Amino acid sequence: EPEVTQTPSHQVTQMGQEVILRCVPISNHLYFYWYRQILGQKVEFLVSFYNNEISEKSEIFDDQFSVERPDGSNFTLKIRSTKLEDSAMYFCASRARTRLTDTQYFGPGTRLTVL
Amino acid sequence: GENVEQHPSTLSVQEGDSAVIKCTYSDSASNYFPWYKQELGKRPQLIIDIRSNVGEKKDQRIAVTLNKTAKHFSLHITETQPEDSAVYFCAASRNAGNMLTFGGGTRLMVKP
Repeated sequence: EPEVTQTPSHQVTQMGQEVILRCVPISNHLYFYWYRQILGQKVEFLVSFYNNEISEKSEIFDDQFSVERPDGSNFTLKIRSTKLEDSAMYFCASRARTRLTDTQYFGPGTRLTVL
Repeated sequence: GENVEQHPSTLSVQEGDSAVIKCTYSDSASNYFPWYKQELGKRPQLIIDIRSNVGEKKDQRIAVTLNKTAKHFSLHITETQPEDSAVYFCAASRNAGNMLTFGGGTRLMVKP
């Protein structure tokens, strides 16, 4: 069964550095999402992406964040200048473009640690 | 915006017993309610979902009920097994493709 994949599984960075988290959604999916989960807290929505543009974003997704689909397979989340509070597990998800299924399929996550 | 509350945060049951996890939501426009199971170190996986035009949905040992008037929905697991042990998250969204707002999660432990 196809799965969403994410790389790296764990990223350690210094405060102020830029990081790029990568996701490969399921191949025939057209809706893409990023969520994050700070340790011990809820999973929080960051952004959704469809047809090469952002469809929704939360207040967390400020100017320090950006998303891109640089080619036909990857979906990336960039944090320009990381802060300590950006330390979290970041999940990518994707969904098929069909009315027959509503499921958002999640990747295994990237644990980001900002020192 | 939407707020989803989930209870209990931890739940311990004996193998074979039933487990019930409850969620409430605040946005009356929410109409899609999935439940995800997350085993330790693994990705969240959808186990069941329900739309607001249905009051109950069942899949083998798992069922979800929805009360739109009261704005709450519940996950029921019958005949629990040790492999049911995981963290369960409820979520809500206005439409299936939209952002999911998650509850805080319930750690279910099934004791053999």
